[in-house]
Amino acid sequence: GQSLEQPSEVTAVEGAIVQINCTYQTSGFYGLSWYQQHDGGAPTFLSYNALDGLEETGRFSSFLSRSDSYGYLLLQELQMKDSASYFCAVSADSWGKFQFGAGTQVVVTP
Amino acid sequence: EAGVTQFPSHSVIEKGQTVTLRCDPISGHDNLYWYRRVMGKEIKFLLHFVKESKQDESGMPNNRFLAERTGGTYSTLKVQPAELEDSGVYFCASSQSMNTEAFFGQGTRLTVV
Repeated sequence: GQSLEQPSEVTAVEGAIVQINCTYQTSGFYGLSWYQQHDGGAPTFLSYNALDGLEETGRFSSFLSRSDSYGYLLLQELQMKDSASYFCAVSADSWGKFQFGAGTQVVVTP
Repeated sequence: EAGVTQFPSHSVIEKGQTVTLRCDPISGHDNLYWYRRVMGKEIKFLLHFVKESKQDESGMPNNRFLAERTGGTYSTLKVQPAELEDSGVYFCASSQSMNTEAFFGQGTRLTVV
């Protein structure tokens, strides 16, 4: 079957680094995206990896290894406002349809 | 530039009633997607429009769900008759081209009682 696996929750203190892993098993693969969602809000795009390697955008970085069907989102210098749910999503076809993971709740404590 | 807007933000209806959700994508975005998140589970794809045409509706649960995008602008998703298991948050997303950043609306929280 098709699935995306990511941890359900991660807790860390302000200033720390958090890595959210995502492993996927899908019938097709065109890219891996990460979205952030605060309670009651819209999922917001963070990053997209179509090729292997690391993409860095400010405090957030995303990594992809297509041969391992694996990616991760790295959150550095954690801030309280980073407390949210983070979803990995695979573009499983050329039309941009996403398959989402169940989300990782990141809790940042003082 | 306005983002993706969805209406209503919340809807509580009784089992057997009809509800219509609306999504206004970002202007100029040909691709419009509907997704649904049932409590505690992953966000699941429902269907994809390219302009006014249904490109992929493989995720639609059953024939109680009807989506339209007349004129290739806003889209509606009608649930008729609603069942308890239809409760969840319905998200709409739009993108300018495939496999690029998709912009999501804040969702419609549907509760069927």
